[in-house]
Amino acid sequence: GDSVTQTEGQVALSEEDFLTIHCNYSASGYPALFWYVQYPGEGPQFLFRASRDKEKGSSRGFEATYDKGTTSFHLRKASVQESDSAVYYCALGLNYNQGKLIFGQGTKLSIKP
Amino acid sequence: EAAVTQSPRNKVAVTGGKVTLSCNQTNNHNNMYWYRQDTGHGLRLIHYSYGAGSTEKGDIPDGYKASRPSQENFSLILELATPSQTSVYFCASGERSSQNTLYFGAGTRLSVL
Repeated sequence: GDSVTQTEGQVALSEEDFLTIHCNYSASGYPALFWYVQYPGEGPQFLFRASRDKEKGSSRGFEATYDKGTTSFHLRKASVQESDSAVYYCALGLNYNQGKLIFGQGTKLSIKP
Repeated sequence: EAAVTQSPRNKVAVTGGKVTLSCNQTNNHNNMYWYRQDTGHGLRLIHYSYGAGSTEKGDIPDGYKASRPSQENFSLILELATPSQTSVYFCASGERSSQNTLYFGAGTRLSVL
């Protein structure tokens, strides 16, 4: 079935470190791919999406490139800040799902000042 | 400002009791969703709705019912609550598209004792 896998359950970095959170997907169709961010005490919020192969999505210094060949959509940021501490979710949406999203397990990012 | 509002924010229930979680959206979206969030599982879809009067089963519907009496309101009902339903529940609204961006409420923390 359709699924999203995030390799890292937790990531701990220092300020100004480079961030990579890995996301791989399995889907029978051609999905749209998303990143959502959840700050403590809040609901998840949309970060950005990409809809076709080689498209790059970006927001707030974060970016990810849709790679159909490796079925991946890895999240990257060049220099993290303490305010980036949050849980990050990768998700996919498919045409026949009519708006439903399938989420990965989430990655908790902790940044030490 | 358009929003998704959940009530209550916190709930303690007894095993075997009935619990109703409520959600209201002012986004004028057709679709609404109920997810639960558990460590290691991410966000899993319980029920969803395409509009007033409609409810559909998600990926983990057992033990839950849903009700969509109007465009704005979507409830999740636990007729006989069990400790395994202790979790954080999120309501979201969105459109019926694979490009769908979901807008989440702040969540309801439910403890079933």
